[in-house]
Amino acid sequence: AQSVAQPEDQVNVAEGNPLTVKCTYSVSGNPYLFWYVQYPNRGLQFLLKYITGDNLVKGSYGFEAEFNKSQTSFHLKKPSALVSDSALYFCAVRDRSGATNKLIFGTGTLLAVQP
Amino acid sequence: KAGVTQTPRYLIKTRGQQVTLSCSPISGHRSVSWYQQTPGQGLQFLFEYFSETQRNKGNFPGRFSGRQFSNSRSEMNVSTLELGDSALYLCASSLGYSGNTIYFGEGSWLTVV
Repeated sequence: AQSVAQPEDQVNVAEGNPLTVKCTYSVSGNPYLFWYVQYPNRGLQFLLKYITGDNLVKGSYGFEAEFNKSQTSFHLKKPSALVSDSALYFCAVRDRSGATNKLIFGTGTLLAVQP
Repeated sequence: KAGVTQTPRYLIKTRGQQVTLSCSPISGHRSVSWYQQTPGQGLQFLFEYFSETQRNKGNFPGRFSGRQFSNSRSEMNVSTLELGDSALYLCASSLGYSGNTIYFGEGSWLTVV
């Protein structure tokens, strides 16, 4: 069965410092991987995805993520955090095989950036 | 280009009633999925439609149903509402299945009292 783990409920970082939000996944085949961000009382906003190719994926708002097949990880990173990055971040996996867009989500990580 | 549009944004219903939520996907997108988000259960997949056919269904009771119309717009219905159905219901759309980006709407907040 597919699953996604976000081991940290909350990550605290000072503005200007680099940030990392961790994600590991379990899927039988090769995955499609996604990161979404959710601001209070809003829907999910797409940040980036890994489909194939370069293991380092660049996305919106300066975020990037590195796909590591051997460690089955897809950690989200940003070189310099902003207070406005404070939000709830979700990692999601989709099985590459089969005609489905069903996403399995992690439990989310709350990112708090202190000024 | 307009994003995924969900209506209504907020609604309050009484236990035992039924509710219908609507979703208009991004123009040209034929795949529509629905998710339920609650503090306790997180984001859970409800069902998925493509070209008016249900392609996948999550582990929810039969009170939860959906459909997709020929213009790709989708509706979901919850009958005999229970307090535990209070949640944010999110609709997502995508062009197809080849690793296309999946975009979400702002959601419909349902409160059951």
